[in-house]
Amino acid sequence: KAGVTQTPRYLIKTRGQQVTLSCSPISGHRSVSWYQQTPGQGLQFLFEYFSETQRNKGNFPGRFSGRQFSNSRSEMNVSTLELGDSALYLCASSLTFTYEQYFGPGTRLTVT
Amino acid sequence: GEDVEQSLFLSVREGDSSVINCTYTDSSSTYLYWYKQEPGAGLQLLTYIFSNMDMKQDQRLTVLLNKKDKHLSLRIADTQTGDSAIYFCAEVRGGKLIFGQGTELSVKP
Repeated sequence: KAGVTQTPRYLIKTRGQQVTLSCSPISGHRSVSWYQQTPGQGLQFLFEYFSETQRNKGNFPGRFSGRQFSNSRSEMNVSTLELGDSALYLCASSLTFTYEQYFGPGTRLTVT
Repeated sequence: GEDVEQSLFLSVREGDSSVINCTYTDSSSTYLYWYKQEPGAGLQLLTYIFSNMDMKQDQRLTVLLNKKDKHLSLRIADTQTGDSAIYFCAEVRGGKLIFGQGTELSVKP
């Protein structure tokens, strides 16, 4: 069974630009969650989607948004990038949120 | 407190047992997880325990749960150099997965 895939793996953007990251969950998984990992703040929950609906949201500004498609694939978008948005963005999928979550390899975003 | 707490570093010799500790916050957490992260990689689910269990064993891994003290531990038997990584505990709180800051395990030959 294929794991969680994330594209692209690496991205370099300039302040003020926007970026879209993609996540394909494990086949059959309907819940997709996104996390931001930085050395200073650690792993922080961004949001969770289940059957195309956002079920939960973390404490991030409105510049961070996401969506989920009918095939459970998910995208997250960050607009008006700031230097502090440089991080590893991780996507996780699960059958439902309360069951074990499986993570993708992440997208390393660098904002210059 | 509000945070899931872990000690930051642990160093052991190859062949010894490693014990990584975690204090979580929500006594109503139904699932508690251990993840492993190697350099440049995502998180790998190692094991999890339901809150109605005290212990779970899975090959070299043993998870102990003390609900009264909200304390979770991960024991790795016969630790190998390939076990060198950062280990995160996590709880489900308010519909979100909340992680500790991670324990960096260094295994010396």
